[in-house]
Amino acid sequence: AQTVTQSQPEMSVQEAETVTLSCTYDTSESDYYLFWYKQPPSRQMILVIRQEAYKQQNATENRFSVNFQKAAKSFSLKISDSQLGDAAMYFCAYSNYQLIWGAGTKLIIKP
Amino acid sequence: EPEVTQTPSHQVTQMGQEVILRCVPISNHLYFYWYRQILGQKVEFLVSFYNNEISEKSEIFDDQFSVERPDGSNFTLKIRSTKLEDSAMYFCASKITLYNEQFFGPGTRLTVL
Repeated sequence: AQTVTQSQPEMSVQEAETVTLSCTYDTSESDYYLFWYKQPPSRQMILVIRQEAYKQQNATENRFSVNFQKAAKSFSLKISDSQLGDAAMYFCAYSNYQLIWGAGTKLIIKP
Repeated sequence: EPEVTQTPSHQVTQMGQEVILRCVPISNHLYFYWYRQILGQKVEFLVSFYNNEISEKSEIFDDQFSVERPDGSNFTLKIRSTKLEDSAMYFCASKITLYNEQFFGPGTRLTVL
C-alpha cells in the first residue's frame, strides 16, 4: 500500500528566508503524481505545486519549488523568500487515483 | 475561474441524526471525491465516484455513508445516523481526468453533539 510520510510536524522560518519541508513516500507504481497542498487557518485546501513522476525536471511555481528524487522516493518543498501569508499546514500527497496524504507540517513564519 | 462549492459551511447536528453534505463540482469534471479531516489529524479518503457509481471506498465509508449525484451538478454525502466521531471537516473534490490534480471545495465543518 502507498504511504506518505512527513517527518517534520512543525517548522519555523524567519520572514524572507528559505525553508524546506520534507516528504517521503512509498509505492511500487512507476506512474503517479505528487502534490503539495497548503491549508491555512480557514482550512481550505489549496494546491501549491504538482509533480508528474515521469518528468525529471523539478516543478516550480514562483517562490515554490520541489526537489523530486524518484529513486529515493523523496519529494521536498522549498519555499523561498518566506512571507507571513505562507504560514499554514502543508500536506504532501501522492496520487495515482485517489490521494494519499501525509500527516502535515505546520509552517510558522517569524516576522 | 470555476471552483468547487460546498454547502453548508458549518453543520451542527445531534448524534443519531441524518445529515446531507452537498457539493457542486466543477462542471466539466468527471471524477468526484469525499475526504474528511478530523481536527488536528491527516486528511482521510472516504470515497471516489465516477460514471454514476462508486469506484473506490475506504474502510471508513461503511453502511452509514452513502453518496449520490442526483442531477448533473450536485454530489452529496449522506451520513444516516451520525456519531460523535463523525465530527470533522468534510472536503469534496473533483477532477477532469483520472490523472489530473483534484480541486477541492472549501469544506463543510460537521459538529455532532
